[in-house]
Amino acid sequence: EVLLVESGGGLVQPGGSLRLSCSASGFTLSSYSVHWVRQAPGKGLEYVSTISNTGGNRHYADSVKGRFTISRDNSKNTVYLQMSSLGAEDTAVYYCVRDQSWYFDLWGRGALVTVSS
Amino acid sequence: QPVLTQPPSVSGAPGQRVTISCTGGSSNIGAGFDVHWYQQLPGTAPKLLIYANNNRPSGVPDRFSGSKSGTSASLVISGLQAEDETDFYCQSYDRSLSAWVFGGGTKLTVL
Repeated sequence: EVLLVESGGGLVQPGGSLRLSCSASGFTLSSYSVHWVRQAPGKGLEYVSTISNTGGNRHYADSVKGRFTISRDNSKNTVYLQMSSLGAEDTAVYYCVRDQSWYFDLWGRGALVTVSS
Repeated sequence: QPVLTQPPSVSGAPGQRVTISCTGGSSNIGAGFDVHWYQQLPGTAPKLLIYANNNRPSGVPDRFSGSKSGTSASLVISGLQAEDETDFYCQSYDRSLSAWVFGGGTKLTVL
């Protein structure tokens, strides 16, 4: 079965850091660009970040630029999202998403990140 | 504020047809970037519904169709069923932002 699985979510204090992982099964993740998309409770979808298949190109939404870093280890079929200086506005479910010609054809189940003291 | 504008809600009776609009601008839809649509059931991840304006992935019923014109796109759902009562999001790319962008989402209610 073709799957993306996020891990690493949890409760973190304001100003803290957290690293999300996205692991692929059933296909070779290194063949694809990967995005992170988040959804705050009761809100819509928000684009967060993208990494190209080789890792050579990375993009960030203005709302996370300078605080979040996307990376990947193709030998482990895994993409990461390092998040720092977290604030309440970063509380959301974070989805790892596979890119297919600039649309998102495979979504993980999501990882909940809660920023609270 | 989402870059793409969708109505917050639409409704229709079973068997009817509804249209969800997605309005952008000259830096995204109007610049020629494709529009894609996703369906999200409560508590679950979004699922690709329409890609590249009017293409259905395998397994999506032909009751769902999409179109694009100028700076806008539309999702049409015909023969409404109770199971269609979910949220729908449009998505494109914005060259000014150099980022993928979403609409704010539309909640479909089947009366």
